[in-house]
Amino acid sequence: DAKTTQPPSMDCAEGRAANLPCNHSTISGNEYVYWYRQIHSQGPQYIIHGLKNNETNEMASLIITEDRKSSTLILPHATLRDTAVYYCIVRGINSGNTPLVFGKGTRLSVIA
Amino acid sequence: NAGVTQTPKFRILKIGQSMTLQCTQDMNHNYMYWYRQDPGMGLKLIYYSVGAGITDKGEVPNGYNVSRSTTEDFPLRLELAAPSQTSVYFCASKRGGGGEAFFGQGTRLTVV
Repeated sequence: DAKTTQPPSMDCAEGRAANLPCNHSTISGNEYVYWYRQIHSQGPQYIIHGLKNNETNEMASLIITEDRKSSTLILPHATLRDTAVYYCIVRGINSGNTPLVFGKGTRLSVIA
Repeated sequence: NAGVTQTPKFRILKIGQSMTLQCTQDMNHNYMYWYRQDPGMGLKLIYYSVGAGITDKGEVPNGYNVSRSTTEDFPLRLELAAPSQTSVYFCASKRGGGGEAFFGQGTRLTVV
């Protein structure tokens, strides 16, 4: 699975959009981009994933660049409860037995 | 639907004691994982299983053992507890190679 690079920390004002970037320049054609988050002391929570088209669900939107070398997770109206560590993970369709590997992620602080 | 359930939530062990961390899932997932997370650090994979009767080592398996006799259960055994095993332990499950992983709420273990 391709490696990812994320900023270690970001701040966002409550009610504003939080845009979390992720670089995955070595991504290959059959690899998905996954996002998870971990709120303090809790188990990680799945947010969204995509291959090449932009994706949206009730939690967030995922924008993947046309060359697929980077992506952005967007929380449209951040709340204090969105304060968490956000992990970007690249994983192949045929990863099969390969387990999820978590990097250091981005610590998002939503400020009132 | 309970998802992934871990017991106990908290435990204090003395050096040299043994214990089993329990993990069970009711989603009929084939893949199950054990991670540990030290304070302020990311998740590290201890062991994983791709189905009943099949287990494999992750990044930090030393000092731990696992078994997978049923699809539902994936217990993690500590034989001789050491202070370095003080951590939060998370169990996770996944249906197949792709898709989202579901995490338990963690077991906070302190070895004194």
